[in-house]
Amino acid sequence: DVKVTQSSRYLVKRTGEKVFLECVQDMDHENMFWYRQDPGLGLRLIYFSYDVKMKEKGDIPEGYSVSREKKERFSLILESASTNQTSMYLCASGPPRGYEQYFGPGTRLTVT
Amino acid sequence: AQKVTQAQTEISVVEKEDVTLDCVYETRDTTYYLFWYKQPPSGELVFLIRRNSFDEQNEISGRYSWNFQKSTSSFNFTITASQVVDSAVYFCALSEPFFSGNTPLVFGKGTRLSVIA
Repeated sequence: DVKVTQSSRYLVKRTGEKVFLECVQDMDHENMFWYRQDPGLGLRLIYFSYDVKMKEKGDIPEGYSVSREKKERFSLILESASTNQTSMYLCASGPPRGYEQYFGPGTRLTVT
Repeated sequence: AQKVTQAQTEISVVEKEDVTLDCVYETRDTTYYLFWYKQPPSGELVFLIRRNSFDEQNEISGRYSWNFQKSTSSFNFTITASQVVDSAVYFCALSEPFFSGNTPLVFGKGTRLSVIA
């Protein structure tokens, strides 16, 4: 079974803190993705990566950065957390050529 | 531009009823892929099905069935004899290939299905 794990299910941080969300997949997938999910807005893509050290901006990259030093790990970084970044963050991985993505359990981040 | 519309925001049915979740898509390409995902209350999105644009054959998997019609740009999902465990948010998604091979998925906003015992 494909397994995508995220470092925390729930996280509470203060405004201005630097936040790291970690994602690890065990299926040797080339592609990895970070989404955020908000009520009424559905899933929105923040960043994705199709290879180690490669990254592409998604629909809402502002306020975020990413790091992919190893194939299995994709980190989302909030350089200075703000209250409008309170959300559910979902990581996914997938093989190339239009195949499905596999999602982790999500991290519910609250910024106070 | 690519877009996925799930017009039904919430649906409520009584157990054992059949229910159809609608999905309409827009795409700029002749080669694309369509997906359905289920998000139960636990939060993790679970992959249900993938369909490529060249395969219009309908698919059945147990109580689940999918109807793909290119003529109407629709990829609808039917649950037969619904059960309480089917209660979840269901997402339809679309992807188009580009040079990296796996373009990100474009999701609809989801349909929340509640099955009442």
